[in-house]
Amino acid sequence: GENVEQHPSTLSVQEGDSAVIKCTYSDSASNYFPWYKQELGKGPQLIIDIRSNVGEKKDQRIAVTLNKTAKHFSLHITETQPEDSAVYFCAASTRAGKLTFGQGTILTVHP
Amino acid sequence: DAGVIQSPRHEVTEMGQEVTLRCKPISGHNSLFWYRQTMMRGLELLIYFNNNVPIDDSGMPEDRFSAKMPNASFSTLKIQPSEPRDSAVYFCASSLDRGTDTQYFGPGTRLTVL
Repeated sequence: GENVEQHPSTLSVQEGDSAVIKCTYSDSASNYFPWYKQELGKGPQLIIDIRSNVGEKKDQRIAVTLNKTAKHFSLHITETQPEDSAVYFCAASTRAGKLTFGQGTILTVHP
Repeated sequence: DAGVIQSPRHEVTEMGQEVTLRCKPISGHNSLFWYRQTMMRGLELLIYFNNNVPIDDSGMPEDRFSAKMPNASFSTLKIQPSEPRDSAVYFCASSLDRGTDTQYFGPGTRLTVL
């Protein structure tokens, strides 16, 4: 089955800096890669996703890149703000719909 | 528009008791997913349904766990008998269809088994 590795497990940055979280996946059939943000006491919320026919996608301060050959994808957050502090999860899915999540990254943005 | 609704939000029970978690997916969504989240194992898919039919239950830990979806607007996850190692946050998510559609998560049920 699919295996998703996520790094780093914790990330601490100063407000205004950029943050990068990286994930690798094992199943070459995976074709959908969402990123979720989870705040304390809440369920994960989708922040951005990318499909296998696209190499990069951007939404304001958030961008995701995908390298299918190397089987890795990354989340980039620019101009970080304290409210970006949360746990971020990457995930990978095949057409069957089964999402496999990474282990999560605790992002802390210091004012 | 209401999102995914889960109840109860918190459940404390004693070992050996039956626990039933409930989920109402977003109206019009055809796929429903049950996840479990723990510090040790992260977010794990337990089972998912498409058009009320279980598609993949390979993540269900053992026979003590069962899930049903009697209609398009309701699903239950039952644990009988419960054990302390079942303590976790259980999430329900729904999507328009299986495959590469966005999954929307509910707020979760925090289960504590004493």
